[in-house]
Amino acid sequence: EEEVVESGGGLVQPGGSLRLSCVVSGFSFNNHFMSWVRQAPGTGLEWVAVIKRLSATYYMDSVKGRFTISADSAKKSLFLQMNSLRVEDSGLYYCVRERGDLWGQGTLVTVSS
Amino acid sequence: DRVMTQSPLSLPVTLGQSASISCKSSQSLVFRDGVTYLNWLQQRPGQSPRLLIYNVSNRDSGVPDRFSGSGSATDFTLRISSVEADDVGVYYCLQTVGWPWTLGQGTKVEIK
Repeated sequence: EEEVVESGGGLVQPGGSLRLSCVVSGFSFNNHFMSWVRQAPGTGLEWVAVIKRLSATYYMDSVKGRFTISADSAKKSLFLQMNSLRVEDSGLYYCVRERGDLWGQGTLVTVSS
Repeated sequence: DRVMTQSPLSLPVTLGQSASISCKSSQSLVFRDGVTYLNWLQQRPGQSPRLLIYNVSNRDSGVPDRFSGSGSATDFTLRISSVEADDVGVYYCLQTVGWPWTLGQGTKVEIK
């Protein structure tokens, strides 16, 4: 069965860092776009970052220079390194394949003092 | 950035009746390969989003045929032909023709 499972969320103070992980199973990781998408409580979805074929990366403007998306094909894992976190970065972070055809359950990030 | 505008934002429907959601893009969603990269997602209460429709009108695996998508270039519609209780949730249109990928605000479908 194809699956993605996120981990690494938690409570962090403004200015702090977190590293999210997503382990994939049931499909070949190398041949897909992989993304992180977030959802603040009670609001809509934001496409945060994409990595294409394990190389090219794209970021939404508000996280450029603070977040880094990366992948390790040997570990079948996607990562999101989040630095200089802000209160507005809080939300449920989903690992997503391609243009939304497979979603994880999400990992919750709370940035608060 | 391509701005995606959905309407209505709230849609009360009667069981068995049809429902339509509009999504308009500020720019064409046709890529140079000729494909129009417009998807529809469904998010049921308390669940992760799920892909319903890709490339305007193609149902994803397992999606009931009461869901259909149509449109072209900048104007798109998601139609539910006979609403069931299981269809309650928020529906989003998503464009992936160019970065940043952007979504509509979401349309909340509820049963009257």
